Amino acid sequence: KAGVTQTPRYLIKTRGQQVTLSCSPISGHRSVSWYQQTPGQGLQFLFEYFSETQRNKGNFPGRFSGRQFSNSRSEMNVSTLELGDSALYLCASSLDSGLFSGANVLTFGAGSRLTVL
Amino acid sequence: EDKVVQSPLSLVVHEGDTVTLNCSYEVTNFRSLLWYKQEKKAPTFLFMLTSSGIEKKSGRLSSILDKKELFSILNITATQTGDSAVYLCAVINQAGTALIFGKGTTLSVSS
Repeated sequence: KAGVTQTPRYLIKTRGQQVTLSCSPISGHRSVSWYQQTPGQGLQFLFEYFSETQRNKGNFPGRFSGRQFSNSRSEMNVSTLELGDSALYLCASSLDSGLFSGANVLTFGAGSRLTVL
Repeated sequence: EDKVVQSPLSLVVHEGDTVTLNCSYEVTNFRSLLWYKQEKKAPTFLFMLTSSGIEKKSGRLSSILDKKELFSILNITATQTGDSAVYLCAVINQAGTALIFGKGTTLSVSS
């Protein structure tokens, strides 16, 4: 079966612009979560969506937002980009209703590499 | 503040060596600990540990959890160049609402 698909794979933006990243989960998976990975901070949880509703949110400013569509595809948006937003953005999908339930494992996409100049 | 600390941050070994990667955590109301392997972009799941003292094993990789001392180790025996990757440790809180990652250990296996 197809894995988690993220687009675009690479993109370059300038400070002050906004960006939208897309994530298509594995067929049948209803939960999509997003992560930011940087060399300094490692991998950090951004937010999670299940059945079009945001269920959990990490400690990121309001410039980071997301949504989920009825087909479970998800998008995340970063507005007013800053240099520090340069990172690999990963999404992951899972079956269960709980974000990180004990029996749940996440399947990650290959990520979108964002560079902010 | 919940945190997960991995050590070492990086190491270089020769093929055939055995390595031990460490993960310690301070997480309120711990539920589970997970190990992932990240070779290029997408982390891939290795193990999930919930109970102390029960070793999980998959081929040359094994892992164990100590909930009293709040740490886990990942062992890789007879390392191969294909084991070169970043190994990530993550902890889930009891409510299942937080997944906290360590910064990873970069393993390089030379032939």
